[in-house]
Parts: sequence; C-alpha cells; structure tokens
Amino acid sequence: EVQLVESGGGLVQPGRSLKLSCAASGFTFSDYAMAWVRQAPKKGLEWVATIIYDGSSTYYRDSVKGRFTISRDNAKSTLYLQMDSLRSEDTATYYCARGRILDYWGQGVMVTVSS
Amino acid sequence: DIQMTQSPSLLSASVGDRVTLSCKASQNIYKYLNWYQQKLGEAPKLLIYYTNSLQTGIPSRFSGSGSGTDFTLTISSLQPEDVATYYCYQYNSGPTFGAGTKLELK
Repeated sequence: EVQLVESGGGLVQPGRSLKLSCAASGFTFSDYAMAWVRQAPKKGLEWVATIIYDGSSTYYRDSVKGRFTISRDNAKSTLYLQMDSLRSEDTATYYCARGRILDYWGQGVMVTVSS
Repeated sequence: DIQMTQSPSLLSASVGDRVTLSCKASQNIYKYLNWYQQKLGEAPKLLIYYTNSLQTGIPSRFSGSGSGTDFTLTISSLQPEDVATYYCYQYNSGPTFGAGTKLELK
C-alpha cells in the first residue's frame, strides 16, 4: 500500500524558515518523480514544486522560486521542502504527491506564517 | 502559464442524476488532464488520469473525455458519497489546477 506521510509543519514568523518532510513507503521511491502541492485555507489547490526521480532536475512555481527548495533522499525514501523567507501568503496545507500525475497524496501538513 | 477554467463553480444535483463538469484550458494540453475529488477535510484523490483513464479502485460511474482545450468529467448516476469538490489539473507544462467545482445534493 502506497503511503505518504508529511511532517514538519507549524507556526512560523514571516521571513523565517521551515523544512517539510514526506516519508514514502509501499513503492520504489527512486522510480518516481515527486511533488509538493499546497492549499490555502478555504482555497483551491496550487502546484508548488516537482523533483524528478533522481533529483537531477527540479521545477517551481514562480512565486516560490528562489525561496523554496525541493530535494529528496532516495536511500531514506523521503522528500523534502525547504521553505525560506516565508510570507503570509505561504500559509497553507502542504501535500506531497507521487509522480507527474499526482496519483497518491499524503494527508497534508499545515504551515501558518504569522507574527 | 496555462489557465484552467472550471464550470460551474457550484453544482446542485439529485441522487441518480447524470452530472457533467467542465474544464477548459487556455491553450492546447493534448490529453494531459487529470480529475481529482476532494471531500471536506481530506486530501485530494485521483479519479481520472490522461483525460479518460480510470484510476484503480474508482467506481465506473466516473468517466472523462476531451482533448486539446475542452474536457469533461461525467458522473453517470450521482451517489450521496460523491458530494465533494472536483478539480481538473493539467500537466502538459507548468502544472496548474482549475479553481474547482463544488458538487452538492439538491
């Protein structure tokens, strides 16, 4: 059974950093691209970033370029999202999802950026 | 960026109705279009991928069609458990979601 479990969320002040993790199990992690998708409170879904299977290429939405870094550790079957220079508009539930087609999702982790 | 426009934003229907949701892309995305269902308080669930392929475990009353810029999700006979928000998602380039269609029971 495919499982994705996010962790690392919380309350953080504007301008500070936070690192999210997504632990994967039930499939060969190193075979798949992985992505982060977020959802602001009572809003729609927004793709954030994607990393290909071996970590050699990454892609970001414009609003997070230069502030967020997606990475992975295939030996640990874990996906990461380093979020720097956080803004209030980054407040959202962050989901990790598998593959280019986002076929499996984690349960999400809440990130609140507020002073 | 490719814009995805879903309509209607809110749809009320009765149990047993045939329901059709629309998604239009601002440019050609071929068939790189998925549909997701999100129930209140839950993570999204993939229903349909590559326009018309049914994800494993999804009931056959869900189907998808289209190509290019116009796409449709159809529920052949609405069930109470189908109450949710439905999102389309293009992954041809610079992935983007539609704003969603909220489906409720009449």
